[in-house]
Amino acid sequence: DGGITQSPKYLFRKEGQNVTLSCEQNLNHDAMYWYRQDPGQGLRLIYYSQIVNDFQKGDIAEGYSVSREKKESFPLTVTSAQKNPTAFYLCASRRSGGINTEAFFGQGTRLTVV
Amino acid sequence: AQTVTQSQPEMSVQEAETVTLSCTYDTSESDYYLFWYKQPPSRQMILVIRQEAYKQQNATENRFSVNFQKAAKSFSLKISDSQLGDAAMYFCAYRSGQETSGSRLTFGEGTQLTVNP
Repeated sequence: DGGITQSPKYLFRKEGQNVTLSCEQNLNHDAMYWYRQDPGQGLRLIYYSQIVNDFQKGDIAEGYSVSREKKESFPLTVTSAQKNPTAFYLCASRRSGGINTEAFFGQGTRLTVV
Repeated sequence: AQTVTQSQPEMSVQEAETVTLSCTYDTSESDYYLFWYKQPPSRQMILVIRQEAYKQQNATENRFSVNFQKAAKSFSLKISDSQLGDAAMYFCAYRSGQETSGSRLTFGEGTQLTVNP
């Protein structure tokens, strides 16, 4: 079945450590996105990528890094520079072009700093 | 920059009744898309309905319909015959029609809908 897979579902990190969240899609989508969700707030864009080997900062990129070496994969690294990393992270993908291309979301990763 | 505002943090409705969730947005663009997403307790984001700005006709998907007022920049969601399974967080979202902007979604803060039996 086609879809987006995020792993792990739950992740615990000690302060000062980097951690990488995985996002894989087999939908052959060109564009991929990372969003952060905090209680009482909507989703905020961290990074996005429209093609392989290229990505752009979103609204809250500080303390995060990404790579897009393969079309299927768009991992997000939460670095120790991110001051408040505890949040729910959602990955999405979309086929570029066309007017009726919707974004598909993964099931998310809950990151907790302990 | 585009902004999306949902002024109702929480709403409740009786089963089988109708409820309307509000959303306003701000943009200087003429070509864009608006969406309502549902996020149940599983936290999976599910697309409920989509509206193209160039279409005057309001979108409808079964029990879900929108009232799109382009001049007022308003995009409300009406849920008819509410069911217990409709209980979720609902997000309004905006997407530019320009691919050069990355086709990112801009979300509102969300409205938590409770359905009472």
